[in-house]
Amino acid sequence: DTGVSQDPRHKITKRGQNVTFRCDPISEHNRLYWYRQTLGQGPEFLTYFQNEAQLEKSRLLSDRFSAERPKGSFSTLEIQRTEQGDSAMYLCASSSRTETYNEQFFGPGTRLTVL
Amino acid sequence: GNSVTQMEGPVTLSEEAFLTINCTYTATGYPSLFWYVQYPGEGLQLLLKATKADDKGSNKGFEATYRKETTSFHLEKGSVQVSDSAVYFCALSDRNTDKLIFGTGTRLQVFP
Repeated sequence: DTGVSQDPRHKITKRGQNVTFRCDPISEHNRLYWYRQTLGQGPEFLTYFQNEAQLEKSRLLSDRFSAERPKGSFSTLEIQRTEQGDSAMYLCASSSRTETYNEQFFGPGTRLTVL
Repeated sequence: GNSVTQMEGPVTLSEEAFLTINCTYTATGYPSLFWYVQYPGEGLQLLLKATKADDKGSNKGFEATYRKETTSFHLEKGSVQVSDSAVYFCALSDRNTDKLIFGTGTRLQVFP
């Protein structure tokens, strides 16, 4: 088991461009979460999937953000028309809901810088 | 709504000193409580957890007790090491969705 992986690890883009991040969860984990962490703050929940179904989206997730998990395995997070305020670390986590408690395993994150 | 408040840092200690990082929460129902740690250049790792009132979570010499009456989950360690230098996050999880709600983090710096 290689843990949760995210790609790319760093992304620098210009304002107005679209970016897409990928998350590969631990195999057979049926829940997948996206969080955003800005400097000096704790991670903030964005959205989560159970298998391929997106069950909740935070109000932080404007209509420029879209996430998918088409086959219940990897997930993508797309940001359209990026703004400087989107600069942050985007974290992915996965868990198995079959456990009595939900330990989420986090990936290393994708650091986005919008110029 | 649910929220977590933890003491601001940085917390600066000498090696072998006693550590307390305060954490209080506001939640409906009975959330699970967690401490996560983020070492420099690394991702978030679960340090310890408690799933019900009066549970004590422990790991690597760190402890925290789920106190429902004071809505607290303070992190303690009797003797810190330089290698404990990191950012510590208190978090709770929603029982229905399991999404995590984090505090702002407390940076611990331990000097020899």
